Amino acid sequence: QKEVEQDPGPLSVPEGAIVSLNCTYSNSAFQYFMWYRQYSRKGPELLMYTYSSGNKEDGRFTAQVDKSSKYISLFIRDSQPSDSATYLCALPGYSSASKIIFGSGTRLSIRP
Amino acid sequence: DGGITQSPKYLFRKEGQNVTLSCEQNLNHDAMYWYRQDPGQGLRLIYYSQIVNDFQKGDIAEGYSVSREKKESFPLTVTSAQKNPTAFYLCASSGGTGQLYEQYFGPGTRLTVT
Repeated sequence: QKEVEQDPGPLSVPEGAIVSLNCTYSNSAFQYFMWYRQYSRKGPELLMYTYSSGNKEDGRFTAQVDKSSKYISLFIRDSQPSDSATYLCALPGYSSASKIIFGSGTRLSIRP
Repeated sequence: DGGITQSPKYLFRKEGQNVTLSCEQNLNHDAMYWYRQDPGQGLRLIYYSQIVNDFQKGDIAEGYSVSREKKESFPLTVTSAQKNPTAFYLCASSGGTGQLYEQYFGPGTRLTVT
């Protein structure tokens, strides 16, 4: 079983829709959760991070963590064509904070 | 501007040749990393360095080598021993005043070996 599982998509939704991107993880020792956004042919950029269970909001983006289910989500409200990218969940390794376990990424396309 | 630079953006090499990818950061970060990304796949860690003159193998280090002689620089050499070197290579760094686990990425180098 992979430490982090993420549906690769692709996911295509119309502009203005609410998008839900998800990851599951296997080890309850993970404490810190991040989301990266990667545009085509570019390096990933850190989008959001959260340390605990619950929700964290930043503009149109909400990160949600459910530690009891080992499930993390990223919601995008009022999605825009500029949100079209690959989204990767990322969990710092529980044995070494500097190593990160990345999900495989979900490719998202927002149709105008 | 603070950031991470990787050069070149595109690199073409013949099979059997070693090639070195450049990564420089001016973020004053202690830790630096090299990842490989293949189409439709996530990031796989090649090597990482938490301090100058020290580095550790990641999950797929075979056929690669690195050096960390300066805090700002972490070059990656793809050797002829790497069986499938064509990929998108990403350098990252973390540390400084930020959280150690928040990694910041460069723009990447796309290597094609024929």
